[in-house]
Amino acid sequence: EAGVVQSPRYKIIEKKQPVAFWCNPISGHNTLYWYRQNLGQGPELLIRYENEEAVDDSQLPKDRFSAERLKGVDSTLKIQPAELGDSAVYLCASSLDRADTQYFGPGTRLTVL
Amino acid sequence: DQQVKQNSPSLSVQEGRISILNCDYTNSMFDYFLWYKKYPAEGPTFLISISSIKDKNEDGRFTVFLNKSAKHLSLHIVPSQPGDSAVYFCAASATGNEKLTFGTGTRLTIIP
Repeated sequence: EAGVVQSPRYKIIEKKQPVAFWCNPISGHNTLYWYRQNLGQGPELLIRYENEEAVDDSQLPKDRFSAERLKGVDSTLKIQPAELGDSAVYLCASSLDRADTQYFGPGTRLTVL
Repeated sequence: DQQVKQNSPSLSVQEGRISILNCDYTNSMFDYFLWYKKYPAEGPTFLISISSIKDKNEDGRFTVFLNKSAKHLSLHIVPSQPGDSAVYFCAASATGNEKLTFGTGTRLTIIP
């Protein structure tokens, strides 16, 4: 069974530039999560989707971050414009449903210069 | 406010011995706890979990113990192997709010 796929794996951009991350969850998983992991910290939830619906986006900085999950499968997380403090690893995870174990992708390491 | 704490940033253990990783939490609503293992340049991998109705869960070399009164859980790895060298994250969630709250991680190094 294929795991959670994320791309790109690494991204280096200059501040004020836009950036987008893509996630393909495990087949059949209805719930999708985006986390941000800062250096030396644990992952922190940005947004959770149940099918197409964003059911928890309380931690998403909505002035510059946006996300979508069209057709309830793939998801894209966008930052526009990026700031220096956005440098982190962005992790996507999926689960069968909200109460099931979450499985993580390899992450996208973003560096903002 | 760090609701899940892993106070040991690193731990070194001899191969074959027992590794004990500790985790404390402050939110009494947490009723489900997980351990994830993370290798460099990879995402966290689910290892083992425990519900608050239990005080122990075992899976092969891995055992998680939960002490609800102390709000403390621990992960035991016996015997420790070189492939166990990784960063281990403790995470917790509450029924009705399945958001995972992670600790800051403990880097385990197994010495051959």
